[in-house]
Amino acid sequence: DIQMTQSPSTLSAYVGDRVTVTCRASQNIYNWMAWYQHKPGKAPKLLIEKASTLQSGVPSRFSGSGSGTEFTLTISSLQPDDFATYYCQQYNTYSATFGQGTKVEIK
Amino acid sequence: QVQLVQSGAEVKKPGASVKLSCKAYGYTFSKHGINWVRQAPGQGLQWMGWISPHNGNTNFAQNFQARVTLTTDTSTRTAYMELRSLRSEDTALYYCTRDRDYDTISAHWGQGTLVTVSS
Repeated sequence: DIQMTQSPSTLSAYVGDRVTVTCRASQNIYNWMAWYQHKPGKAPKLLIEKASTLQSGVPSRFSGSGSGTEFTLTISSLQPDDFATYYCQQYNTYSATFGQGTKVEIK
Repeated sequence: QVQLVQSGAEVKKPGASVKLSCKAYGYTFSKHGINWVRQAPGQGLQWMGWISPHNGNTNFAQNFQARVTLTTDTSTRTAYMELRSLRSEDTALYYCTRDRDYDTISAHWGQGTLVTVSS
């Protein structure tokens, strides 16, 4: 199975900060990368697919980049609604693996 | 719009089996696969497997291949996940999700079903 290493596990930031989460795949996954936002008591929400394609309705302050084995999720100006746990996921036509998650906390 | 409605919470004893359901609304059921994802208390998300309602093809994570059966009933637009030989570590919130295009991305999520395994 492809392994995903996500960092950091926890991130403390102020409203307005630029925040970056990194995910590394154990092998080349081209651009088969997704990012999810998960808030307590709710189902996770897909934010980005194919490494950089923003889902409809997701604010433009979210962006994704990378290809191959290194990927990043960036929030350009953190808002109060963005405090949550974020997961990367490699996906394809036969398997999927999530990263360990990054909890974004208020500083 | 796309909606996935999952069955209610379950409490099971170790060694038992559980079968969860996921009823789909708002799209052509046979045209999209269903993933199953779980989250144990305090843990991250874990992909378990995927099934195509069109032809019944399945893919599983290695950890679950031996204990999980995925099925669908196209007449009722319902997907099922059976987990056997339950142990305490299987206590988790189980989600069904709909894919995008016969891939394993989770584009739409059910509300989750809590399974508690306890003696």
